[in-house]
Amino acid sequence: DAKTTQPPSMDCAEGRAANLPCNHSTISGNEYVYWYRQIHSQGPQYIIHGLKNNETNEMASLIITEDRKSSTLILPHATLRDTAVYYCIVRGNNAGNMLTFGGGTRLMVKP
Amino acid sequence: GAVVSQHPSRVICKSGTSVKIECRSLDFQATTMFWYRQFPKQSLMLMATSNEGSKATYEQGVEKDKFLINHASLTLSTLTVTSAHPEDSSFYICSAGDSHNSPLHFGNGTRLTVT
Repeated sequence: DAKTTQPPSMDCAEGRAANLPCNHSTISGNEYVYWYRQIHSQGPQYIIHGLKNNETNEMASLIITEDRKSSTLILPHATLRDTAVYYCIVRGNNAGNMLTFGGGTRLMVKP
Repeated sequence: GAVVSQHPSRVICKSGTSVKIECRSLDFQATTMFWYRQFPKQSLMLMATSNEGSKATYEQGVEKDKFLINHASLTLSTLTVTSAHPEDSSFYICSAGDSHNSPLHFGNGTRLTVT
């Protein structure tokens, strides 16, 4: 699976949009971009994933560049409970494909 | 959505004893489950891939005789830490997915402390 690069930490004001970037320049054509987050002492929580089109669900939006070499996860109105480590992972679309975690971005939402 | 249940959430054991951790897919069948380990302030590291009805596949550096994995049914995989030592103290997390096009979902992890 392709490697991803994320900033180690970011701050965001409560109520504002949090934009978390991810670079995945070596992504291949059949690999999806997945986002998970991990709140302290819990298992990772799935947020969203996409192949090449932008995606939106009740939690977040995912913007993937046209060349697919980078993406941005957007939390439209961050709350204190969104404070977590966010992981951007590239994964092949097969049930046997594991998720390989990098360092992630530690997002701190501040009042 | 797909739910993965992990038990126990916390366990404390004495050095030299064995501990079994269960991972269940509650509302779907999983032919493949994954076991991860996470040390403090570090990311998740894949330990092994658990395959229903066959032997698990272990990542390099993970001792298969120490971390026994059994995936006897489509909804249950177990990880047994044998002869546990303090350095095995960690956060163990399992994950599974229900189909080729679905994301993997994670259990809430097991905090193992070996004294």
